[in-house]
Amino acid sequence: AQSVAQPEDQVNVAEGNPLTVKCTYSVSGNPYLFWYVQYPNRGLQFLLKYITGDNLVKGSYGFEAEFNKSQTSFHLKKPSALVSDSALYFCAVRGMDSSYKLIFGSGTRLLVRP
Amino acid sequence: DVKVTQSSRYLVKRTGEKVFLECVQDMDHENMFWYRQDPGLGLRLIYFSYDVKMKEKGDIPEGYSVSREKKERFSLILESASTNQTSMYLCASRLSGGDYGYTFGSGTRLTVV
Repeated sequence: AQSVAQPEDQVNVAEGNPLTVKCTYSVSGNPYLFWYVQYPNRGLQFLLKYITGDNLVKGSYGFEAEFNKSQTSFHLKKPSALVSDSALYFCAVRGMDSSYKLIFGSGTRLLVRP
Repeated sequence: DVKVTQSSRYLVKRTGEKVFLECVQDMDHENMFWYRQDPGLGLRLIYFSYDVKMKEKGDIPEGYSVSREKKERFSLILESASTNQTSMYLCASRLSGGDYGYTFGSGTRLTVV
């Protein structure tokens, strides 16, 4: 069965410091991996995705994510955090089967303090 | 940009009421999805639809049904609302096939009293 784990409920970081939000996955075959961000009382916004190719994927708002097949991880990173990055972040996976369902992690709240 | 519109941002309904949550997308997407979001549980799939008049159960379909009579509209129905259905409901759509991600609506926060 497909699954996604986000081991941290919350990540705290100071503005200007690098940030990492962790994600590990379990899926049969090669995965499609996604990161989404949710601001208060809003829907989810797409940040980036990994399908194939380069293990370092660049996305919106200066975020990037590194795909590591051996560790089955897809951690979200940013070199320098902004207060405005404070939000809820979701990792999601889809297996390369006929289903188009995305399986989401439980979410990680990022708090960037000034 | 694709737009996914959920008709209500906030709803308050009474226990036992029949509740309709509406979702409309404007970019001819084949696939549509309903999730509910609860703290600590992430997003859980209720129902999805590959195309018009098609529907498939997700992971937590109990107490819900759906309708997709037109391609652009996907309705979630709570047959008899209960307090444990108080949640944030998110609709999403995507183009069929390939590596397309989802486009989400802004969500409907439903409170059942």
